[in-house]
Amino acid sequence: DQQVKQNSPSLSVQEGRISILNCDYTNSMFDYFLWYKKYPAEGPTFLISISSIKDKNEDGRFTVFLNKSAKHLSLHIVPSQPGDSAVYFCAAFFSGTYKYIFGTGTRLKVLA
Amino acid sequence: EPEVTQTPSHQVTQMGQEVILRCVPISNHLYFYWYRQILGQKVEFLVSFYNNEISEKSEIFDDQFSVERPDGSNFTLKIRSTKLEDSAMYFCASSGLRTDTQYFGPGTRLTVL
Repeated sequence: DQQVKQNSPSLSVQEGRISILNCDYTNSMFDYFLWYKKYPAEGPTFLISISSIKDKNEDGRFTVFLNKSAKHLSLHIVPSQPGDSAVYFCAAFFSGTYKYIFGTGTRLKVLA
Repeated sequence: EPEVTQTPSHQVTQMGQEVILRCVPISNHLYFYWYRQILGQKVEFLVSFYNNEISEKSEIFDDQFSVERPDGSNFTLKIRSTKLEDSAMYFCASSGLRTDTQYFGPGTRLTVL
């Protein structure tokens, strides 16, 4: 049941450059998408979300883009900082349920 | 800033034993959740709880699992007879409304020997 996929298990980016993390989904009923960041031995920390009625949401250095026709969302981090190094999970939700469906995560490493 | 807390941080148990994992959700939240993450795999939903009853559960949440809100602050996950494959990180989460963002605790690492 791979409804939410993150096809890149890892990504390395130079400090100050843009990090782009991608996520694809298959279920067109999802109406809310979120990005979480996770450090080792900690729980997922909420970063940013987007409703399916929007195509962009921005919060400081973080921007999430949603392309519903392609069933694709991406998280842009600009500029990337070493403290951004973590595993990033996208998650999807639809109003008929209570649960988040998570992707498998992308490990981001920002090099100083 | 309010946060979800979980205890213990690490629990080691023998196969067949019962374990209880504890969570204190954010105080004004009404919806509570358990997720788990087996090492190297994705975070998976187990169960959601609202108004003192289960509102949704996954196929993982079989008869070995139960949840309870024994008082006004704690939310517990009980595994009646642990199996080796129950070894995982267990995350509690809470939200104010069903459609609100879910906030996660730091997790309990369960190791079943």
